[in-house]
Amino acid sequence: KAGVTQTPRYLIKTRGQQVTLSCSPISGHRSVSWYQQTPGQGLQFLFEYFSETQRNKGNFPGRFSGRQFSNSRSEMNVSTLELGDSALYLCASRESPGTGSYGYTFGSGTRLTVV
Amino acid sequence: AQSVSQHNHHVILSEAASLELGCNYSYGGTVNLFWYVQYPGQHLQLLLKYFSGDPLVKGIKGFEAEFIKSKFSFNLRKPSVQWSDTAEYFCAVKLISNFGNEKLTFGTGTRLTIIP
Repeated sequence: KAGVTQTPRYLIKTRGQQVTLSCSPISGHRSVSWYQQTPGQGLQFLFEYFSETQRNKGNFPGRFSGRQFSNSRSEMNVSTLELGDSALYLCASRESPGTGSYGYTFGSGTRLTVV
Repeated sequence: AQSVSQHNHHVILSEAASLELGCNYSYGGTVNLFWYVQYPGQHLQLLLKYFSGDPLVKGIKGFEAEFIKSKFSFNLRKPSVQWSDTAEYFCAVKLISNFGNEKLTFGTGTRLTIIP
């Protein structure tokens, strides 16, 4: 069973640009969550999607958005990039909300550097 | 709002030493508790989890954790560490609330360095 796949692995963008990150969950998993990981803040929750609907959202500005497709793949978009957006963006999948007994499986992340 | 505290930011131990990493959370309701590990250059992996039942939970690679509800704690332990345990360890809490309103809240992590 393939794990959670995130693409691209590395990305360098300049301030003001926008970026789209992709996450393919484990086959059969319908819930996808996104986290931002930085050395100072640790892992911060961005949002969770299930059945193409955003179920929960963290405390990030509206520049951070996401969506989920019918095949459960998810994308995250950050517009008007700022230097402080440089981070490792992690995606985690699970079968569905309420099936927490199986835990969350994380991908390897996308390392975004904003210059 | 729920929060998770990991008071040890960086722990340095010699091989064969015993390990205990602290984790405290602030939420009075029902929670699920997790410990994740991130080895250098690798993705987060689940070490162990607690949902209900026996508060002493055993995980992979000889790790265990004890849930003490009265102390809002879920400390991670290992009796004898190895050099390969060098990694960053994250405690995470999921509060059980209305369906669809769940999220994992992570602590800031503890970097563990094992000296051969």
